[in-house]
Amino acid sequence: DVKVTQSSRYLVKRTGEKVFLECVQDMDHENMFWYRQDPGLGLRLIYFSYDVKMKEKGDIPEGYSVSREKKERFSLILESASTNQTSMYLCASSQTRDIDEQYFGPGTRLTVT
Amino acid sequence: LAKTTQPISMDSYEGQEVNITCSHNNIATNDYITWYQQFPSQGPRFIIQGYKTKVTNEVASLFIPADRKSSTLSLPRVSLSDTAVYYCLVGWGRGGGNKLTFGTGTQLKVEL
Repeated sequence: DVKVTQSSRYLVKRTGEKVFLECVQDMDHENMFWYRQDPGLGLRLIYFSYDVKMKEKGDIPEGYSVSREKKERFSLILESASTNQTSMYLCASSQTRDIDEQYFGPGTRLTVT
Repeated sequence: LAKTTQPISMDSYEGQEVNITCSHNNIATNDYITWYQQFPSQGPRFIIQGYKTKVTNEVASLFIPADRKSSTLSLPRVSLSDTAVYYCLVGWGRGGGNKLTFGTGTQLKVEL
């Protein structure tokens, strides 16, 4: 079974803090994704990566950066957290660069106060 | 960038067939259509994927007309456990290039 794990289920941070969200997959998948999910807006893609050290912007990259130093790990970074970044963050991975089933982690509920 | 439109919510009763339609008028030639299911406090889970005509698996069918501007997810004989949000995803054509686009999701509520 593919497993995608996220470092925290719940996180509370203060405005201006630097925030790291970690995601690890155990199936040697090439692609990894970060989404945020907000009521009424569905899932929106922040960044994705199709290889180590490779990244591409999604629909809403502003205020975020990512890091993929190892194939199994994809980190989402909020350089200076703001209250409008309070959201559910979901990580996913898929096997190849072609369209493939995405496997999602359980999500991290981030609250910025 | 392909965008999708789905009904916000649908209600059904146990044992009925449910059809959820997704509109994607500007789908690209190499885009695939994928549906996901999401329960509260969980990440989405893959249901079915197709490119054209009809695809069927053990849990659902996907109907795609010739112009591919819409697709319909069909859930046969739903049960209470099918109550969830269903997302239509268009994009990520083979070989890469297109970005992924999720719809806003359809909240399906199944009652006794």
